[in-house]
Order: sequence, then C-alpha cells, then structure tokens
Amino acid sequence: AQKVTQAQTEISVVEKEDVTLDCVYETRDTTYYLFWYKQPPSGELVFLIRRNSFDEQNEISGRYSWNFQKSTSSFNFTITASQVVDSAVYFCALSEAGDTGNQFYFGTGTSLTVIP
Amino acid sequence: EAQVTQNPRYLITVTGKKLTVTCSQNMNHEYMSWYRQDPGLGLRQIYYSMNVEVTDKGDVPEGYKVSRKEKRNFPLILESPSPNQTSLYFCASSLSYHRSSYEQYFGPGTRLTVT
Repeated sequence: AQKVTQAQTEISVVEKEDVTLDCVYETRDTTYYLFWYKQPPSGELVFLIRRNSFDEQNEISGRYSWNFQKSTSSFNFTITASQVVDSAVYFCALSEAGDTGNQFYFGTGTSLTVIP
Repeated sequence: EAQVTQNPRYLITVTGKKLTVTCSQNMNHEYMSWYRQDPGLGLRQIYYSMNVEVTDKGDVPEGYKVSRKEKRNFPLILESPSPNQTSLYFCASSLSYHRSSYEQYFGPGTRLTVT
C-alpha cells in the first residue's frame, strides 16, 4: 500500500485561481514528519515545508498555505492566486523512524500547470 | 556555497557494466540518501545512511549498493546494471538524526540509461 497518496496526477488552472493539492498519508508511528517539495521544469527539487506530527497548526507563507489534519491523515497544500511560475510537479513526503534510521516515502506527485 | 554534487550528470552504459555514481555534500550532514525518479512513480528511496558506516535499505534497494566511509561522500554502485535501472537518480543530504527528520538538500540529478 502506498504510504503517501497524491490522487491528483495533473491539475490545470488559469492564472490567479486558487488551487489545492491533496496529500494523504499512512503511518502507525506517533512521531513522523511531513514535507512538500516542488520540482519545476528545470528539474531540481526545492523544499517548501516541514511539519512534525505533534504540530497541527496550519501554516501560511505568502501565497502558500498548508492544512495538516491528523484526523484524516491529510496534509494539503493550497496556492492562492496562482502564477505561471507555480507550474511544477509537487511532491508530498512522509518520514518515519525505522529501527536504524529515518526512511522517507514520497507520493507520485501532482503536476500543476498554470495557464496565463 | 552549500551544495550536494553528483557525478556524472548523464550516463549511458550497457547491461552488466559496473558503474558508480558519486555524491558529495559540504554541509557536514549526518544523513544522506539516494532516490530514483520514474514517471508516474514519484521518488523512491533506494538506500539511506544515518552516519558513517551506518546504511539501511529504502523501498527499492535491489540491484544497488552503497557505502559511507566518509561523512561527506555517499556513492551509489550498480554492480551489474540492467535496463530496468534506467532512471533519474537523486542524492540528498539532511540534518536528520534518529527519529527527527529535516529538510533534504538534493543534488542536481544523474540521468542513467542502461541499454
């Protein structure tokens, strides 16, 4: 079973629209971490946010906001007033602590296209 | 400049010819990891290392080897590459330590083609 599910494979929006990228995770650990990364067309992976399992506060950073809900095992990402530069593949990731270290699981990614 | 470097960036090889992809970081990070990225599958962790001489399997370790003899280097070894190992490979490093995970810094990627 997938540890991290990003059900939206591709999303297209018109510039200035808001868009929410969904992420659902699965873990039995009580301590875990969640991340979002952006991969623009140039290919590099850019860190966006880190959340630990004990901090359910939502976070806002400029046009970006994240909604963490343990009750539904979701960590959704919203871009407000989208711009063409937001076009990228976005990955959600989960980190669990295994016996010898921290294993990471990434979702399959959501490809976002913002149309001018 | 803080960075993760990988070499080579592009590699075309033939089935069965051993190869090594190097990875080096200059941030004194304890944690290093290798991933492969394939269309529709996202990133999948191959191996990770919590510290020197401490390595462990990720989700897809078959066909790969790693070693961590020095803190800054974490090479990925394909002893006998096969076409199904054609992929985009990323190395990453992080301040993560046991039970605490932090952001990973990724290298630029190595595109490997095995014919």
